[in-house]
Amino acid sequence: DMQMTQSPSSLSASVGDRVTITCRASQSISSFLNWYQQKPGKAPKLLIYAASSLQSGVPSRFSGSGSGTDFTLTISTLQPEDFATYYCQQSNSPPHTFGGGTKVEIK
Amino acid sequence: EVQLLESGGGLVQPGGSLRLSCAASEFTFSGYTMSWVRQAPGKGLEWVSAIGSSGDTTFYADSVKGRFTISRDNSKNTLYLQMNSLRAEDTALYYCARDDVAMLRGVRVGYYFDYWGQGTLVTVSS
Repeated sequence: DMQMTQSPSSLSASVGDRVTITCRASQSISSFLNWYQQKPGKAPKLLIYAASSLQSGVPSRFSGSGSGTDFTLTISTLQPEDFATYYCQQSNSPPHTFGGGTKVEIK
Repeated sequence: EVQLLESGGGLVQPGGSLRLSCAASEFTFSGYTMSWVRQAPGKGLEWVSAIGSSGDTTFYADSVKGRFTISRDNSKNTLYLQMNSLRAEDTALYYCARDDVAMLRGVRVGYYFDYWGQGTLVTVSS
């Protein structure tokens, strides 16, 4: 099965910082890569699909890039409401594996 | 607004069974693939199973294959997950999610979960 490796597993950042999270697939998944945000006690929320397409209603400070095996989620200017856990997910072939998550904490 | 409402979770002994349901509303349920995703307490997300829009295609994670069965009733707008031979490691919050597809010039370029329920908790313990 496809393995999805996210890094870092956690990070501390300040409001206004630029934050980058990476996700690596164990084999090529073209652009079949999604990013979700999850806050404590809440269901995940879709941010980015097909590697770089911004889901409707998601702020433009979120962006995604990459193809093949290496992908990046960038938050250009971190806001207080962005402190959460972020997951990548491949949807190239079942099982649609998630990465282990990246927890973004307040510095 | 699209709504997904899970039910059927609870406490069950190891080796026992449960059937989860997910009632869908405010969209054409029969037009979408649907999935189950779970999250063990304090852990990450784990994709569990998916079913095609007509119910004729199913997929399972290796961890549940042979024990769980996904199904749907399009006349009732409801998704199900029959869970048998439950183990302690199946303890988790179970979410149902709607699969949507991204198209670019007639070509599928992505599948993603655009709507999620709030989850139903399954606890496997003696």
